[in-house]
Order: sequence, then C-alpha cells, then structure tokens
Amino acid sequence: EPEVTQTPSHQVTQMGQEVILRCVPISNHLYFYWYRQILGQKVEFLVSFYNNEISEKSEIFDDQFSVERPDGSNFTLKIRSTKLEDSAMYFCASSVSSSMEFFGPGTRLTVL
Amino acid sequence: AQSVSQHNHHVILSEAASLELGCNYSYGGTVNLFWYVQYPGQHLQLLLKYFSGDPLVKGIKGFEAEFIKSKFSFNLRKPSVQWSDTAEYFCAVISNNNAGNMLTFGGGTRLMVKP
Repeated sequence: EPEVTQTPSHQVTQMGQEVILRCVPISNHLYFYWYRQILGQKVEFLVSFYNNEISEKSEIFDDQFSVERPDGSNFTLKIRSTKLEDSAMYFCASSVSSSMEFFGPGTRLTVL
Repeated sequence: AQSVSQHNHHVILSEAASLELGCNYSYGGTVNLFWYVQYPGQHLQLLLKYFSGDPLVKGIKGFEAEFIKSKFSFNLRKPSVQWSDTAEYFCAVISNNNAGNMLTFGGGTRLMVKP
C-alpha cells in the first residue's frame, strides 16, 4: 500500500538555524499539507499546497516558513530561523482529492 | 472559524469494556468528519469518515461513529475494546467552505486499555 514518507524522523537543531523537513507524498496525489503537533497540544494545520502554489495557510505559517515542491516528488517545509517554540512533531499529508488525507509518520523537530 | 472539541482527554478502560469518545464541532454548515488514530510510535491513520448518507459509519477494527447533526456531534464507539486499541484518537473536521481542504483537529483523547 502506498504511503507518505518523511525524513528525517528526528531533527535536532540550534535556535536560529535553518531546517528543511522532507516529505515524499503518495505519487498520484495532488494536494499536499503540513501540520504540526506541539507536545501535549492539538494537531494544527500549517499550510496546504496545490498546483505548485500555496492554497491555504494558517497564522502559524509566517515568513519564517516556506514550502516547496522542488522536483515533482518531494515536498519540503523550510524554517529559516528556528525558535524554541518550533519544537514539535511535523506531519506531512497528501490527498488525491479533497477530504482524504493520508499522513506521514512525522518528523520530530527539537530546537535547542 | 470551525473548532472541534474532544471532552475526554484521558480514558482508561479494561479489556472488553465498551468505548464512547465524544466529539463536537462548531461549524453550522456542511461538514466532512473524520476519526484518526495514532498508535504509540506510529503516525496518524484514518479510522473512519463521514461525508454524507447513513449517519452511522463503520470503520476499521470494529469502530463506528454516529453523526448527529442536531447535536453537532460525531462520537466514536466500539462495543468491546482490546489492549491493542491503546492509542490516541483524534476527531477532525473539514467544512464545505474550506478552500484549502485542511483538517481542523480536536485535542485528542488518549485511551489506555488495561489487559
């Protein structure tokens, strides 16, 4: 069964550093998403991406965040200058149409 | 803005007990409703979903949920839980005016089933 994959599974970085979280969505999917879950809190929507552009983003997704689909298979989330409060589990998801999102295993980001 | 509430944060049951996890949402229009499960150390998996039709939906592993529009609820049920059902359960909603189709999640309910 096809699945969404994410790398790395755990990323540790220093505050102020840039990080790139990588996702490989399911191959025939057209919609891509990033969510995050701070420890002990809700899963929160960050951004959705369709047709090579952002279709929706939340208040969390400020200028420090960006997404890219560089090569037709990867979908990346970049945080330019990490803050302590960016420490969270980041989930990528994809769907072939609306309302059927498949989630990846997540990347645990720890900012020191 | 839509919101989702799960009132039970932690539930502890013995094996064979019946389970009901509450989920309420705030949006008054047409919604698509989901329950996701996250087993320890694993990623979110879709348990079941409701789009339209029969408000009682059946999912994997013996789970079911009932959509009650008048109560804005989509409670998850299982008649007899097993130790392997220990996990965190998330209710989620997509509303029909949601251009980006993103899910709004509830806070999650952590279920522990004692053997």
